[in-house]
Amino acid sequence: AQSVTQPDIHITVSEGASLELRCNYSYGATPYLFWYVQSPGQGLQLLLKYFSGDTLVQGIKGFEAEFKRSQSSFNLRKPSVHWSDAAEYFCAVGARGGADGLTFGKGTHLIIQP
Amino acid sequence: EPEVTQTPSHQVTQMGQEVILRCVPISNHLYFYWYRQILGQKVEFLVSFYNNEISEKSEIFDDQFSVERPDGSNFTLKIRSTKLEDSAMYFCASSGTWEQYFGPGTRLTVT
Repeated sequence: AQSVTQPDIHITVSEGASLELRCNYSYGATPYLFWYVQSPGQGLQLLLKYFSGDTLVQGIKGFEAEFKRSQSSFNLRKPSVHWSDAAEYFCAVGARGGADGLTFGKGTHLIIQP
Repeated sequence: EPEVTQTPSHQVTQMGQEVILRCVPISNHLYFYWYRQILGQKVEFLVSFYNNEISEKSEIFDDQFSVERPDGSNFTLKIRSTKLEDSAMYFCASSGTWEQYFGPGTRLTVT
């Protein structure tokens, strides 16, 4: 069965500092990987996705993520965080897109210090 | 930019009552999904729907749940006899191919 692990429940970063959120997945075939962001009281917004090809993918709001098959990881990064980045971040894996549901990690709560 | 919409934003119901949560997916999308998120927990897949039938469902999606696409635009989740543990945020999503776009959610509170 597929699974996603986000080892950090909370991360605190100073505004302007760099950010890396960790995500490890378990899946038997080629994974389709996603990062979503959820602001308080809001739905899930897709930040970026990886299907194939270049292992470094760019997303919205200045985020990027790198797929490392050997480490089964898909870590999210941002070079300089803004206060508005404070939110809950979810990594998710899907089997083949289409009708398959996504499996989400438990999320990482990002706190931005002024 | 097209988006998934959900109504109502908040639904309060008594245990044992039936509720219908409504979603309007993005118009040219073919796949539709329901997920739920119990407070403080991760988002969990419930069911996917394609070509007017259920494509995949999780073990959470038991006989008390049903989904329907009653017309060309709406996608509904019915919970037949609500239990306290059904209290959660329910998200609808839709996709054209690989990317799933989520609605803002309906918070269901069962008392």
